[in-house]
Amino acid sequence: NAGVTQTPKFQVLKTGQSMTLQCAQDMNHNSMYWYRQDPGMGLRLIYYSASEGTTDKGEVPNGYNVSRLNKREFSLRLESAAPSQTSVYFCASSEAKVANEKLFFGSGTQLSVL
Amino acid sequence: ELKVEQNPLFLSMQEGKNYTIYCNYSTTSDRLYWYRQDPGKSLESLFVLLSNGAVKQEGRLMASLDTKARLSTLHITAAVHDLSATYFCAVESKGGTYKYIFGTGTRLKVLA
Repeated sequence: NAGVTQTPKFQVLKTGQSMTLQCAQDMNHNSMYWYRQDPGMGLRLIYYSASEGTTDKGEVPNGYNVSRLNKREFSLRLESAAPSQTSVYFCASSEAKVANEKLFFGSGTQLSVL
Repeated sequence: ELKVEQNPLFLSMQEGKNYTIYCNYSTTSDRLYWYRQDPGKSLESLFVLLSNGAVKQEGRLMASLDTKARLSTLHITAAVHDLSATYFCAVESKGGTYKYIFGTGTRLKVLA
């Protein structure tokens, strides 16, 4: 099983460029998430989708948009990239609605904005 | 708004020693998770704690949850080098929201 697949793994952008990070899960999970990880900051939630058809802001949503395309896919878009968005981005999913659900993470996307 | 704090942020310890990592959170929650991250890798789940007094153990790691104190601990017994990693706790923001907030992480280095 592939689990959670993120693309691309690495990306370099110039300030002002746009791009979309793709995430897909094959576990039939209800909830999906985008986090960013910066040194000393832990993981910070950008946006999440508790179920298909819904999206909600997390801790640091500014400068990002998301689309829950279907149950499998959840994309993150940077409309006008800024150097402050240089980070490692992780997509995650969980089954939700079960007692001991946990997050399954993708392998991450390392993004540099110059 | 939920805040999750871990301490210490960095921990260097000798093999064979015991130590505890602390996770405090600011609002009521009945769900707490511990994850491990190896350098350059993704996160993997260690423990899910679902109620006050819950205790889970696997190998040299034991996690507990005190919901009244809003505190979870991750205890390391007789540390070995393979436990070197960053450990994160995560808390559900409010029951049923499926919104998970992570702590800043504890970077553990076990010296041989």
